[in-house]
Amino acid sequence: QTVVTQEPSLSVSPGGTITLTCGLNSGPVSINNFASWYQQSPGQPPRSLIHSTNLRSSGVPNRFAGSILGVKAALTITGAQADDESDFYCALYGGGGTWMFGGGTKLTVL
Amino acid sequence: QVRLMESGGGVVQPGRSLRLSCMASGLNFGAYSMFWVRQAPGKGLDWVAFIGHHGDAAYYADSVKGRFAISRDNSRNTLYLQMDNLRPDDTAIYFCARAACVPRCSPDFSNYYMAVWGEGTTVTVSS
Repeated sequence: QTVVTQEPSLSVSPGGTITLTCGLNSGPVSINNFASWYQQSPGQPPRSLIHSTNLRSSGVPNRFAGSILGVKAALTITGAQADDESDFYCALYGGGGTWMFGGGTKLTVL
Repeated sequence: QVRLMESGGGVVQPGRSLRLSCMASGLNFGAYSMFWVRQAPGKGLDWVAFIGHHGDAAYYADSVKGRFAISRDNSRNTLYLQMDNLRPDDTAIYFCARAACVPRCSPDFSNYYMAVWGEGTTVTVSS
């Protein structure tokens, strides 16, 4: 069974830079997985940040950037702010009209 | 302003059925494909189903295949999720999401993503 992997938790200092990753237990993530990233604050629905690996969704500041780093998709946040403290999820297209979410990364800003 | 409003959640016994609705406003609903995504209590996001904008293409996660059915009524701007033979592990908040695909839509839906989300409706399966 294919599993999408994310760091369970990460922390960053205010103003700092952090990279979250999204991998596959079955092999490398490529641009053909069209990675997307979502941010979810407690009690709120998710909001779209990044799609197709590195395209920012409407209204998302350019301090959020998506990429492929080695064999994983990555979300880099620069100039971290207090309200970035939330859960971040990646999703990968798995082929055949299926999508897979990672388990999420809980980001702490401290 | 695009708004998606889910309804139809509730408490149901295992083996019973429930139909969720997602009413869309502020958009040309019939032009967009749609997703259902769920989130079990304290857990992560879980893709459930996808439907093309005409309703002729539908895909499901293995965990719900054969039990859930996604459909839409473009004349009513409404998306549905018929859930049959419910199990306790179906307990979750169910979100509908409007799909997007930029700059061009792949014919196999591969570059579609969940662009706009509703607030969700809660389904609890328990005896």
